[in-house]
Amino acid sequence: DVKVTQSSRYLVKRTGEKVFLECVQDMDHENMFWYRQDPGLGLRLIYFSYDVKMKEKGDIPEGYSVSREKKERFSLILESASTNQTSMYLCASKYAANYGYTFGSGTRLTVV
Amino acid sequence: SQQGEEDPQALSIQEGENATMNCSYKTSINNLQWYRQNSGRGLVHLILIRSNEREKHSGRLRVTLDTSKKSSSLLITASRAADTASYFCATGHNYKLTFGKGTLLTVNP
Repeated sequence: DVKVTQSSRYLVKRTGEKVFLECVQDMDHENMFWYRQDPGLGLRLIYFSYDVKMKEKGDIPEGYSVSREKKERFSLILESASTNQTSMYLCASKYAANYGYTFGSGTRLTVV
Repeated sequence: SQQGEEDPQALSIQEGENATMNCSYKTSINNLQWYRQNSGRGLVHLILIRSNEREKHSGRLRVTLDTSKKSSSLLITASRAADTASYFCATGHNYKLTFGKGTLLTVNP
């Protein structure tokens, strides 16, 4: 089975810190995604990547950046964490169009 | 952006009963997918139906798609307590998948 691993389940960071959320998939998938999930708002797409070194903005990219130096790893970066970035962050990957996504277990980030 | 909207927001049934959840969306799609999320965990892909398909089955799951009405339904038959979770529909277009806010299903033993 495809596995998507997010490096931390829970993370607490201080306002203004630079935060790295790491995601690794083990099935050579081209496409990787970062979502955040908030109560009442559902899942919202932050960034996605369809190839190494390629990135595309999703619906809410402000305050975030991403890095994809290797095919298996897609990192989400909060340049200067703020309290409104407290959320559940979900990474996903997929093989190609018309395939389902495989999600990681999520990272619950709290910014204090 | 196109977004699936699930209905109802919450559903509570007894074990053994069937559960039906509906999803409506606004624009054209390549496919529609259903996912399950157990509390505090990642999402699990259940089933994908392409825009040229009308019905699909997987075990106790049955999904229908009506592109003329821009709607889909997920039926879970003979529900079990372990089916308790949030269920999301997601509409796929090109590389992106857009999720609805989910239906919280509670199956009481």
